[in-house]
Amino acid sequence: SQKIEQNSEALNIQEGKTATLTCNYTNYSPAYLQWYRQDPGRGPVFLLLIRENEKEKRKERLKVTFDTTLKQSLFHITASQPADSATYLCAIRMDSSYKLIFGSGTRLLVRP
Amino acid sequence: DTAVSQTPKYLVTQMGNDKSIKCEQNLGHDTMYWYKQDSKKFLKIMFSYNNKELIINETVPNRFSPKSPDKAHLNLHINSLELGDSAVYFCASSQDRTSGALYNEQFFGPGTRLTVL
Repeated sequence: SQKIEQNSEALNIQEGKTATLTCNYTNYSPAYLQWYRQDPGRGPVFLLLIRENEKEKRKERLKVTFDTTLKQSLFHITASQPADSATYLCAIRMDSSYKLIFGSGTRLLVRP
Repeated sequence: DTAVSQTPKYLVTQMGNDKSIKCEQNLGHDTMYWYKQDSKKFLKIMFSYNNKELIINETVPNRFSPKSPDKAHLNLHINSLELGDSAVYFCASSQDRTSGALYNEQFFGPGTRLTVL
């Protein structure tokens, strides 16, 4: 069956460390993968997109990798801050489709 | 100057009632979506309209009916509400017009928390 999996346990790290979140998928061949941030009581906000032919993408303190062989994306936040605490969702999209398929998200807690 | 807005933010109602949620986007986007986020935080697509045409219709009970009067608005009407309909409903929009349109990000509204008693 088709699945997108993110670690359901919260990731708890110390301020200043690098947070690494994982997104694994099975039985999909996505054209690209997106990462979103969701704060409590709010809608998801787009962060980064990486295409199937890209290995890595960076934006300020954020870095995303995409390994289509392993069927995995890693999302890194370097020099993490308490303000980075939120739930992070990955989403994949197939070619020629409007549909985004979301993982259930991983909650990140950054301790001061 | 809100990009994607939804009303109401909270909706508490009895089982069996009919209710509507409204969504508007002022981004000039062509495509709008309705998602349902359950208590386990799974965000699942329900419907999508592109220029007022229905393009995604997931396996959703036919008690749910989307309506798009124009490309800036996508409303969701729910008949005969059931306990299991309790969730947060998000509206979203995306551009989907350029040749790279398939890669476009989605902009989400603030959500409508529906509670069915």
